[in-house]
Amino acid sequence: AQTVTQSQPEMSVQEAETVTLSCTYDTSESNYYLFWYKQPPSRQMILVIRQEAYKQQNATENRFSVNFQKAAKSFSLKISDSQLGDTAMYFCAFATGNQFYFGTGTSLTVIP
Amino acid sequence: GAVVSQHPSRVICKSGTSVKIECRSLDFQATTMFWYRQFPKQSLMLMATSNEGSKATYEQGVEKDKFLINHASLTLSTLTVTSAHPEDSSFYICSASSGQSYGYTFGSGTRLTVV
Repeated sequence: AQTVTQSQPEMSVQEAETVTLSCTYDTSESNYYLFWYKQPPSRQMILVIRQEAYKQQNATENRFSVNFQKAAKSFSLKISDSQLGDTAMYFCAFATGNQFYFGTGTSLTVIP
Repeated sequence: GAVVSQHPSRVICKSGTSVKIECRSLDFQATTMFWYRQFPKQSLMLMATSNEGSKATYEQGVEKDKFLINHASLTLSTLTVTSAHPEDSSFYICSASSGQSYGYTFGSGTRLTVV
């Protein structure tokens, strides 16, 4: 069975600073995708970044980047130059075949 | 980009009645749709996975007769909460996948309140 673990229930960061959210997963699959989703107070799930397991290069989307360590089954999200609008719940997710698994989430607060 | 429309965004119903939630993929064909339930400050709990034209696959512990899922076309899936009770009050979210490159798009969610 696949599991996704986010060990940080809550985090905070000063505006303009950098923060890293942790995520580990467990799987025996070789072909899979990893995601970070943001859920602001509106509760709309917004895709932040996606990583294909077969790609060694870490995905990057503007201020958001990941550190994908396949052997360690680790997939952390780095947010640079944090903005007030980054305040939200962040969910790490794993997908393989027709299965999609979410972590328990990290509540991030950006402090002005 | 891919868009999924979920309707209604909010619904209040009386205990014992049924309520239907729709999830539509607007600009792509959704071969698979997922239905989630989310309690406050918790993660999304997968309820069921539906493939167009076939019966939904329910997660363990989810009552099939209470949560009826229909995926009759490649652009529409519905979740019907039958004989709703206050404990069914929750936030329900759908997502859709075209089956390509693991693209998953979420609807905006439905806040169900049973009174």
